[in-house]
Amino acid sequence: DIVMTQSPDSLAVSLGERATINCKSSQSVLSTSNNKNYLAWFQHKRGQPPKLLIYGASTRESGVPDRFSGSGSGADFTLTITNLQAEDAAVYYCQHYYNSPLTFGGGTKVEI
Amino acid sequence: EVQVVESGGGLVQPGGSLRLSCVASGFTFGSYWMTWVRHAPGKGLEWVANIKQDGSEQYYVDSVKGRFTISRDNAQNSVFLQMNSLRSEDTAIYYCGGGAGWVFDFWGQGALVTVSS
Repeated sequence: DIVMTQSPDSLAVSLGERATINCKSSQSVLSTSNNKNYLAWFQHKRGQPPKLLIYGASTRESGVPDRFSGSGSGADFTLTITNLQAEDAAVYYCQHYYNSPLTFGGGTKVEI
Repeated sequence: EVQVVESGGGLVQPGGSLRLSCVASGFTFGSYWMTWVRHAPGKGLEWVANIKQDGSEQYYVDSVKGRFTISRDNAQNSVFLQMNSLRSEDTAIYYCGGGAGWVFDFWGQGALVTVSS
Protein backbone atom coordinates (compact mmCIF):
# COMPACT_ATOMS: atom_id res chain seq x y z
CA ASP A 1 0.00 0.00 0.00
CA ILE A 2 1.15 3.55 -0.72
CA VAL A 3 1.49 5.56 2.49
CA MET A 4 0.82 9.29 2.29
CA THR A 5 2.58 11.47 4.86
CA GLN A 6 1.54 15.09 5.33
CA SER A 7 3.26 17.88 7.20
CA PRO A 8 2.66 19.82 9.28
CA ASP A 9 -0.24 18.37 11.25
CA SER A 10 -1.58 21.88 11.79
CA LEU A 11 -0.66 25.47 11.13
CA ALA A 12 -1.97 28.87 12.06
CA VAL A 13 -1.89 31.52 9.37
CA SER A 14 -3.01 35.13 9.37
CA LEU A 15 -5.57 36.48 6.94
CA GLY A 16 -3.93 37.37 3.64
CA GLU A 17 -0.86 35.27 4.32
CA ARG A 18 0.35 32.05 2.69
CA ALA A 19 -0.09 28.45 3.85
CA THR A 20 2.09 25.64 2.56
CA ILE A 21 1.23 21.97 3.09
CA ASN A 22 3.56 19.13 2.14
CA CYS A 23 2.70 15.59 1.15
CA LYS A 24 5.05 12.68 0.52
CA SER A 25 4.12 9.31 -0.87
CA SER A 26 5.99 6.13 0.03
CA GLN A 27 6.41 5.41 -3.67
CA SER A 28 6.06 7.44 -6.83
CA VAL A 29 2.53 8.14 -8.03
CA LEU A 30 3.77 9.35 -11.40
CA SER A 31 2.64 7.15 -14.26
CA THR A 32 5.44 6.59 -16.76
CA SER A 33 2.91 5.67 -19.46
CA ASN A 34 1.20 9.08 -19.53
CA ASN A 35 3.47 11.26 -17.36
CA LYS A 36 0.60 12.12 -15.01
CA ASN A 37 0.77 12.31 -11.24
CA TYR A 38 -2.13 10.51 -9.57
CA LEU A 39 -2.37 12.92 -6.64
CA ALA A 40 -5.35 14.96 -5.45
CA TRP A 41 -5.94 17.53 -2.72
CA PHE A 42 -9.18 17.83 -0.76
CA GLN A 43 -10.56 20.42 1.62
CA HIS A 44 -12.78 19.13 4.43
CA LYS A 45 -14.83 21.28 6.74
CA ARG A 46 -16.80 20.00 9.72
CA GLY A 47 -20.29 18.90 8.74
CA GLN A 48 -19.56 19.09 5.02
CA PRO A 49 -18.44 16.56 2.42
CA PRO A 50 -14.87 16.59 1.13
CA LYS A 51 -14.26 19.12 -1.62
CA LEU A 52 -11.87 18.34 -4.46
CA LEU A 53 -9.42 21.19 -4.95
CA ILE A 54 -6.62 19.82 -7.11
CA TYR A 55 -6.06 16.69 -9.19
CA GLY A 56 -3.16 15.52 -11.26
CA ALA A 57 -1.01 17.22 -8.62
CA SER A 58 -1.50 20.67 -10.15
CA THR A 59 -4.81 20.95 -12.04
CA ARG A 60 -7.31 23.10 -10.22
CA GLU A 61 -10.87 21.75 -10.12
CA SER A 62 -13.46 23.95 -11.80
CA GLY A 63 -14.67 26.72 -9.52
CA VAL A 64 -11.75 26.51 -7.09
CA PRO A 65 -10.19 29.94 -6.48
CA ASP A 66 -6.79 30.46 -8.03
CA ARG A 67 -5.26 31.17 -4.62
CA PHE A 68 -5.12 27.37 -4.31
CA SER A 69 -2.25 25.78 -6.24
CA GLY A 70 -0.61 22.39 -6.30
CA SER A 71 2.90 21.44 -7.31
CA GLY A 72 5.34 18.58 -7.22
CA SER A 73 5.88 15.30 -8.97
CA GLY A 74 6.77 11.70 -8.27
CA ALA A 75 6.59 11.37 -4.51
CA ASP A 76 6.80 14.96 -3.23
CA PHE A 77 3.91 17.39 -3.46
CA THR A 78 2.84 20.74 -2.10
CA LEU A 79 -0.46 22.57 -1.71
CA THR A 80 -0.11 26.31 -1.43
CA ILE A 81 -2.86 28.67 -0.38
CA THR A 82 -2.03 32.31 -0.96
CA ASN A 83 -3.93 35.34 0.34
CA LEU A 84 -5.62 33.15 2.96
CA GLN A 85 -9.28 33.90 3.58
CA ALA A 86 -11.42 33.11 6.63
CA GLU A 87 -13.36 30.49 4.68
CA ASP A 88 -10.13 28.55 4.04
CA ALA A 89 -10.07 27.31 7.65
CA ALA A 90 -10.40 23.54 7.21
CA VAL A 91 -8.51 20.28 7.20
CA TYR A 92 -6.63 19.57 3.98
CA TYR A 93 -5.83 16.08 2.74
CA CYS A 94 -3.69 14.74 -0.05
CA GLN A 95 -4.82 11.48 -1.63
CA HIS A 96 -3.24 9.25 -4.23
CA TYR A 97 -5.34 7.41 -6.80
CA TYR A 98 -2.46 5.57 -8.47
CA ASN A 99 -3.75 2.14 -7.48
CA SER A 100 -5.90 0.36 -4.90
CA PRO A 101 -6.09 0.98 -2.03
CA LEU A 102 -6.49 4.70 -2.48
CA THR A 103 -5.04 6.36 0.60
CA PHE A 104 -5.25 9.77 2.21
CA GLY A 105 -2.60 11.62 4.13
CA GLY A 106 -3.27 12.23 7.80
CA GLY A 107 -4.58 15.73 7.17
CA THR A 108 -3.36 19.25 7.94
CA LYS A 109 -5.57 21.53 9.97
CA VAL A 110 -5.34 25.15 8.84
CA GLU A 111 -6.43 27.71 11.40
CA ILE A 112 -6.80 31.40 10.81
CA GLU B 1 -27.16 20.38 -11.03
CA VAL B 2 -25.45 17.32 -9.59
CA GLN B 3 -27.10 15.94 -6.45
CA VAL B 4 -25.98 13.01 -4.34
CA VAL B 5 -28.03 11.87 -1.35
CA GLU B 6 -27.06 9.12 1.07
CA SER B 7 -29.47 7.25 3.31
CA GLY B 8 -29.59 4.20 5.51
CA GLY B 9 -27.33 5.28 8.32
CA GLY B 10 -28.16 4.68 11.96
CA LEU B 11 -27.29 2.92 15.19
CA VAL B 12 -26.41 -0.76 15.01
CA GLN B 13 -24.95 -3.22 17.50
CA PRO B 14 -21.53 -4.75 16.98
CA GLY B 15 -21.79 -7.71 14.64
CA GLY B 16 -24.88 -6.27 13.01
CA SER B 17 -25.56 -5.18 9.44
CA LEU B 18 -26.56 -2.00 7.69
CA ARG B 19 -27.10 -1.05 4.07
CA LEU B 20 -26.27 2.43 2.88
CA SER B 21 -27.88 3.80 -0.27
CA CYS B 22 -26.82 6.68 -2.45
CA VAL B 23 -29.04 8.19 -5.12
CA ALA B 24 -27.54 10.55 -7.64
CA SER B 25 -28.96 12.91 -10.26
CA GLY B 26 -27.88 15.63 -12.63
CA PHE B 27 -25.35 13.57 -14.57
CA THR B 28 -25.10 10.36 -16.61
CA PHE B 29 -24.77 8.02 -13.64
CA GLY B 30 -23.72 4.99 -15.66
CA SER B 31 -20.67 6.82 -16.98
CA TYR B 32 -19.09 7.42 -13.59
CA TRP B 33 -17.04 5.49 -11.06
CA MET B 34 -18.63 5.70 -7.63
CA THR B 35 -16.93 5.57 -4.26
CA TRP B 36 -17.51 5.47 -0.51
CA VAL B 37 -15.21 7.37 1.84
CA ARG B 38 -15.63 7.59 5.61
CA HIS B 39 -14.67 9.96 8.39
CA ALA B 40 -14.45 8.46 11.85
CA PRO B 41 -14.63 10.71 14.94
CA GLY B 42 -11.27 12.29 15.67
CA LYS B 43 -9.64 10.68 12.64
CA GLY B 44 -8.86 11.53 9.04
CA LEU B 45 -10.62 10.61 5.85
CA GLU B 46 -10.45 6.95 4.82
CA TRP B 47 -11.30 5.55 1.41
CA VAL B 48 -13.59 2.50 1.70
CA ALA B 49 -14.54 1.20 -1.76
CA ASN B 50 -14.85 1.96 -5.48
CA ILE B 51 -17.10 0.48 -8.14
CA LYS B 52 -16.69 0.74 -11.90
CA GLN B 53 -19.30 2.24 -14.20
CA ASP B 54 -20.82 -1.12 -15.16
CA GLY B 55 -20.27 -2.71 -11.76
CA SER B 56 -17.75 -5.21 -13.14
CA GLU B 57 -14.92 -4.11 -10.84
CA GLN B 58 -14.94 -3.36 -7.13
CA TYR B 59 -12.06 -2.35 -4.89
CA TYR B 60 -11.93 -2.23 -1.09
CA VAL B 61 -9.69 -1.11 1.73
CA ASP B 62 -8.30 -4.16 3.54
CA SER B 63 -10.15 -3.41 6.78
CA VAL B 64 -13.57 -3.98 5.17
CA LYS B 65 -12.79 -6.79 2.72
CA GLY B 66 -15.09 -9.73 3.28
CA ARG B 67 -17.48 -7.63 5.36
CA PHE B 68 -18.58 -4.78 3.06
CA THR B 69 -19.96 -5.06 -0.48
CA ILE B 70 -20.32 -2.16 -2.89
CA SER B 71 -22.89 -2.51 -5.68
CA ARG B 72 -24.85 -0.30 -8.03
CA ASP B 73 -28.09 -0.15 -9.99
CA ASN B 74 -27.62 2.14 -12.97
CA ALA B 75 -31.33 1.99 -13.83
CA GLN B 76 -32.04 3.56 -10.43
CA ASN B 77 -28.98 5.88 -10.42
CA SER B 78 -28.00 4.27 -7.15
CA VAL B 79 -24.98 2.84 -5.41
CA PHE B 80 -25.09 0.77 -2.25
CA LEU B 81 -22.78 -0.28 0.55
CA GLN B 82 -23.83 -3.45 2.34
CA MET B 83 -22.01 -3.53 5.68
CA ASN B 84 -21.94 -6.79 7.65
CA SER B 85 -20.15 -7.86 10.83
CA LEU B 86 -19.94 -4.24 11.89
CA ARG B 87 -17.34 -3.19 14.48
CA SER B 88 -17.05 -0.14 16.69
CA GLU B 89 -14.22 1.09 14.48
CA ASP B 90 -16.66 1.31 11.55
CA THR B 91 -18.42 4.19 13.32
CA ALA B 92 -18.12 7.13 10.94
CA ILE B 93 -19.84 9.46 8.55
CA TYR B 94 -19.95 7.67 5.20
CA TYR B 95 -19.75 9.84 2.09
CA CYS B 96 -20.80 8.73 -1.38
CA GLY B 97 -18.92 10.28 -4.26
CA GLY B 98 -18.48 10.02 -8.01
CA GLY B 99 -16.03 10.83 -10.74
CA ALA B 100 -15.12 10.18 -14.35
CA GLY B 101 -12.11 8.21 -13.20
CA TRP B 102 -10.72 7.80 -9.75
CA VAL B 103 -10.79 11.57 -9.22
CA PHE B 104 -14.00 12.00 -7.25
CA ASP B 105 -15.33 15.50 -7.73
CA PHE B 106 -18.88 15.37 -6.40
CA TRP B 107 -20.12 14.17 -3.04
CA GLY B 108 -23.18 13.72 -0.89
CA GLN B 109 -23.64 15.20 2.57
CA GLY B 110 -22.93 11.88 4.25
CA ALA B 111 -24.72 9.27 6.37
CA LEU B 112 -23.82 8.65 10.01
CA VAL B 113 -23.21 5.06 11.04
CA THR B 114 -22.82 4.35 14.75
CA VAL B 115 -21.79 0.89 15.90
CA SER B 116 -22.41 0.54 19.61
CA SER B 117 -24.11 -1.69 22.13
